[in-house]
Amino acid sequence: QKEVEQNSGPLSVPEGAIASLNCTYSDRGSQSFFWYRQYSGKSPELIMSIYSNGDKEDGRFTAQLNKASQYVSLLIRDSQPSDSATYLCAVNLGTGGGNKLTFGTGTQLKVEL
Amino acid sequence: DGGITQSPKYLFRKEGQNVTLSCEQNLNHDAMYWYRQDPGQGLRLIYYSQIVNDFQKGDIAEGYSVSREKKESFPLTVTSAQKNPTAFYLCASSSLQEEQFFGPGTRLTVL
Repeated sequence: QKEVEQNSGPLSVPEGAIASLNCTYSDRGSQSFFWYRQYSGKSPELIMSIYSNGDKEDGRFTAQLNKASQYVSLLIRDSQPSDSATYLCAVNLGTGGGNKLTFGTGTQLKVEL
Repeated sequence: DGGITQSPKYLFRKEGQNVTLSCEQNLNHDAMYWYRQDPGQGLRLIYYSQIVNDFQKGDIAEGYSVSREKKESFPLTVTSAQKNPTAFYLCASSSLQEEQFFGPGTRLTVL
């Protein structure tokens, strides 16, 4: 079992719709969770961080964390073509060694006109 | 203008050659990291450092070496022992226990 798992996609949504991206992780001791957006050929850009159960909203983005189910998700409301990118889930697995992050392989999102 | 810089943007290596990738940050971050990304894969940690003159191996350290002589700088050397070095190399930094921010990356190709 991979430590951080994401569906690779592509996930296709029409413009204006809600995109839902999901991530599961293996270590119940994990404390910190992050979503990065990566455009093709570019470096990852941090878009959300979440540390406690529940929802965290920032503009069109909402991160949701459920530690009991070991599940974190990212919702993008009113999806735009500029949201088309790969979204990486990253988790501090809490297995020691400071602020080490483990990344999923990413979900490719395509927002269609 | 605060941020993380990496150089060069593109690098070509011949077989048996060592090359060094530069990473500099002016964010006053204590921790710095090196990741490797291969097509269709997530990021894999090579080395990280939480304090000057100290660093730890990540998941794929074989064939790589680093130094941390200054807080601002964390260069990565890809040695000839790394058999498949062609990849996108990403440097990141963070305050301890906080979000990591990435530089623009170096794309390394073996000729």
